[in-house]
Amino acid sequence: EVQLLESGGGSVQPGGSLTLSCEASGFRFSSYAMNWVRQAPGKGLEWVSGITGSADSTYYADSVRGRFTISRDNSKNTLNVHMITLRAEDTAIYYCVVGEKWEPFDYWGQGIQVTVSS
Amino acid sequence: QSALTQEASVSGTVGQKVTLSCTGNSNNIGSYAVGWYQQISHGAPKTVMFGNSLPSGIPDRFSASKSGTSASLTISGLQPEDEGVYYCSTWDNSLSAHVVFGGGTKLTVL
Repeated sequence: EVQLLESGGGSVQPGGSLTLSCEASGFRFSSYAMNWVRQAPGKGLEWVSGITGSADSTYYADSVRGRFTISRDNSKNTLNVHMITLRAEDTAIYYCVVGEKWEPFDYWGQGIQVTVSS
Repeated sequence: QSALTQEASVSGTVGQKVTLSCTGNSNNIGSYAVGWYQQISHGAPKTVMFGNSLPSGIPDRFSASKSGTSASLTISGLQPEDEGVYYCSTWDNSLSAHVVFGGGTKLTVL
């Protein structure tokens, strides 16, 4: 059974930084591209970033490019996103999602809350 | 404003067939497979259609199709547990590669 467990969320002041992690199990992690998708309070889904299985390519939404860095550790089956210069509009639930580039998304994690507020 | 256009709300009675639509353009739906995601009671989204394929565990009353720059999700034999918000999504190759979502359709089972 595929399981995706996000961690590292919490509250941070504007301008601060935070790193989210996602521990994956139940599938061959290194063979699959991974993504982060977020959902602001009362809003729809927004794709944030993706990374290929071998980590040789990363891609970002314009809203986070230059501020967020996605990475993965295939030896630990872990996906990360390091977020800096956080803004109030980054407040959202962040989901870890399995999905190849150019293909629909497959499995979703349960999500982790990030709140940016003074 | 979302890159993909979905109805804000759709309703149907138990047992009825309902169709949700998703409209994009040649850079997204016209070029790539569409995913459909169900979100119930603000829980985590779940994939109910992967292109035209039904993920494991999803009832076969769900089906999807695509024509040109539009896609649709059909639920045949609507059930109370199908109530929720449905999002369509696909990749977009305009400028840099990125994923686009529809604004979501709230499905109410009467």
